[in-house]
Amino acid sequence: AQTVTQSQPEMSVQEAETVTLSCTYDTSESDYYLFWYKQPPSRQMILVIRQEAYKQQNATENRFSVNFQKAAKSFSLKISDSQLGDAAMYFCAYKPPGTYKYIFGTGTRLKVLA
Amino acid sequence: SQTIHQWPATLVQPVGSPLSLECTVEGTSNPNLYWYRQAAGRGLQLLFYSVGIGQISSEVPQNLSASRPQDRQFILSSKKLLLSDSGFYLCAWSYSQETQYFGPGTRLLVL
Repeated sequence: AQTVTQSQPEMSVQEAETVTLSCTYDTSESDYYLFWYKQPPSRQMILVIRQEAYKQQNATENRFSVNFQKAAKSFSLKISDSQLGDAAMYFCAYKPPGTYKYIFGTGTRLKVLA
Repeated sequence: SQTIHQWPATLVQPVGSPLSLECTVEGTSNPNLYWYRQAAGRGLQLLFYSVGIGQISSEVPQNLSASRPQDRQFILSSKKLLLSDSGFYLCAWSYSQETQYFGPGTRLLVL
């Protein structure tokens, strides 16, 4: 079965420091999509970053970047210069090809310390 | 640009009462639409998805149902709410099986 695992239920980072959130997934596919979503206290899910598996280059969006290791089936999120507003639940998600379903991890709660 | 709306934002309902949550998308045609439920502090549970008008796929058999009467409208319903139906309901849309975008959600409390 295709699964997404986020092994860190909770992480803390000092303001202005860098933190990395882990995500691994299980698939036999070669072409797929990966996503990181942020869920702040308002609980709306906000897309942070997306990666297409056929692209070698790691995706970057301002202070957010990913380390995509396809062979290892790893998709970690790095947040640089952490801000108080980054405090939220972060969900990793995997989209298999040819289906309409998205598979989500259980989330990592990120706390940012002032 | 595309926008997704959900209403109501918050709902408190007695056990056994009916439910209707609505989701609409603007700025796109023929989107794939989804209903998720999230218990407090938990992950997302996919309830239903739709790839077109009148086409509904159910992921979790329970007392909830979904309908898509128009291209950009997705409705989640129940005839009789249970306590276990309490949670946060998220509607989402995607296009061409790529990125999924979420609405602001509805908080449902069943008493």
